[in-house]
Order: sequence, then C-alpha cells, then structure tokens
Amino acid sequence: RKEVEQDPGPFNVPEGATVAFNCTYSNSASQSFFWYRQDCRKEPKLLMSVYSSGNEDGRFTAQLNRASQYISLLIRDSKLSDSATYLCVVRARAGTALIFGKGTTLSVSS
Amino acid sequence: DVKVTQSSRYLVKRTGEKVFLECVQDMDHENMFWYRQDPGLGLRLIYFSYDVKMKEKGDIPEGYSVSREKKERFSLILESASTNQTSMYLCAGGTGGANEKLFFGSGTQLSVL
Repeated sequence: RKEVEQDPGPFNVPEGATVAFNCTYSNSASQSFFWYRQDCRKEPKLLMSVYSSGNEDGRFTAQLNRASQYISLLIRDSKLSDSATYLCVVRARAGTALIFGKGTTLSVSS
Repeated sequence: DVKVTQSSRYLVKRTGEKVFLECVQDMDHENMFWYRQDPGLGLRLIYFSYDVKMKEKGDIPEGYSVSREKKERFSLILESASTNQTSMYLCAGGTGGANEKLFFGSGTQLSVL
C-alpha cells in the first residue's frame, strides 16, 4: 500500500459546484496533515493544515478521520480559479520529512 | 513574505556532466529539502537537511548529493548527469515543528540530453 494515496482525477465540475477529494494514508501513527495546491507549471503552496476536529477556511473545509486513516477536502461554490492540482501531505512524526500524495486534478469550467 | 530562490528556471545539460542546482532561502529556518517531480509519480524526496553541514537521504538519493555549507543555501549536485534525471527539481524551506509548512522555490526544469 502506498503511503499517501489520492484519486488522480481529473474532476471536471461547473462553476458553483461542490466537490470533495479524499486521501488515504498508510501509517496509523501519522501526526500532521495538510493540503497543498499546485497550479499548472507552478510550485506547490500550502492551502491549509488539517486538524483533528476539522477546520474551515472560507469555501474550503478539511476533515481528518484517524480511525479510517483518511483526509478530505471539500470545496464549496467552486470558482474558475480553483482549477489546480490538490496535494495531500502527511508527516509520520516530528523530525521526519513530509510525504506527498500524487495529487488530484480539479478543472472548474464556466 | 518568505522567499525560496532557485538559481535557474530551465537548464539543459549533457549526459555525464556535473550539475549544480542552487537554492537560497531567506526564512532563517534550519530545514531545507530537495524534491523532484515527474508526471504520474508526484513529488519524491531526494535529500533534506535540518542544519548546516547536516544531510539526510530521502526516498531517491541515488545519483545525487547535496551540500549545506551555510544555513540559507542548499545545493543539489548531480555528479554525472543521466537522461533519467531529466525532471522538475523543487527546493523547499521548512518552518520546522510538528506542523511544519514548506515554502517552495519556483523549480528548475532540467533536461539531460
């Protein structure tokens, strides 16, 4: 089983749609979780951290389910500018490097 | 804003050449990383460093080495470039801590002919 797995997509949705991505991780002892966003031909940038209680940042909601070892990202009211690749990122424990999933591609159309 | 600068955006080298990829960060953080990104394979960690003169192997260190002589600079070295090292190389600086956040440079697209 790969350490961090994501559905590669692409997810093609119209503007205004709600879309959700899931990500699973293999190490049950993993401690830290993030979503990064990468635009075409650009570097990845931190979108949001994922906290145990779930957290929200505007139209974006991140959830963590430790029992099932998955993380989710929900985007409400999709905008054209949300088109990007979304990378799920996990850290096993302090002092180890972050592990990136291969990413899920989102395309929002008008 | 924090800034991570990679010396070249595009680089073309020949097989067997020694290649240096330079990365400088202005965050005054100890942690720096080198990744390569290939279609269908995602980001793979080559080497990282948590302090000056310190280095740790990542998942794919073969064919690479690194140098961290100063806190702000982390260099990736391809001792003898090969065609399978054609890739996008991304350097990152990290904030450290349990909730470490990475700040990436804009990448170097290396082509080895």
